[in-house]
Amino acid sequence: NAGVTQTPKFQVLKTGQSMTLQCAQDMNHNSMYWYRQDPGMGLRLIYYSASEGTTDKGEVPNGYNVSRLNKREFSLRLESAAPSQTSVYFCASSEIWTRKRHNEQFFGPGTRLTVL
Amino acid sequence: SQQGEEDPQALSIQEGENATMNCSYKTSINNLQWYRQNSGRGLVHLILIRSNEREKHSGRLRVTLDTSKKSSSLLITASRAADTASYFCATVEGNFNKFYFGSGTKLNVKP
Repeated sequence: NAGVTQTPKFQVLKTGQSMTLQCAQDMNHNSMYWYRQDPGMGLRLIYYSASEGTTDKGEVPNGYNVSRLNKREFSLRLESAAPSQTSVYFCASSEIWTRKRHNEQFFGPGTRLTVL
Repeated sequence: SQQGEEDPQALSIQEGENATMNCSYKTSINNLQWYRQNSGRGLVHLILIRSNEREKHSGRLRVTLDTSKKSSSLLITASRAADTASYFCATVEGNFNKFYFGSGTKLNVKP
């Protein structure tokens, strides 16, 4: 099993360009997440999808859109990239929490994005 | 924001010593989780403690939770050079699928 995969690993964009970050998981998890991590900081939640067919805003959704394509895939789109979006982007997945099941998150390796 | 705060921001110890890092948060939680991040990599889950639990152990890890003080601590005993990494706490609110991560403690274990 590959776990959580992300593409691309690195990307350089010019201000105003658009791009889509791809994420896929093979653990049959219901929930998926997109985070950004700025240097020396923790993760901030951009968007999440609690289950297939639903998406919700996190702490820092402005400038981003998401699509939960199916249970496996959750993409993040930057419509018009800005230098403030230079960051490392992590995708994660987890099961839905229940009283009998932990909802630990499994992370992908990250996408390092630079916006010039 | 619910985001937790870890303390200290950085910690440097000798191999064999214990490392303690703390996490404080702001609102009611469902559970609290600790993650580890090696430089340039994704986060890896270490341990989860539910809001009705006070202490939990996993190998060399010991986690405590004090909901009255809204704080948690992670103790790594008999540290090894391979424990060098950043450690993050994450709180999960009543909306069970929304995670908030702290800013992390950077641990350096010197051989």
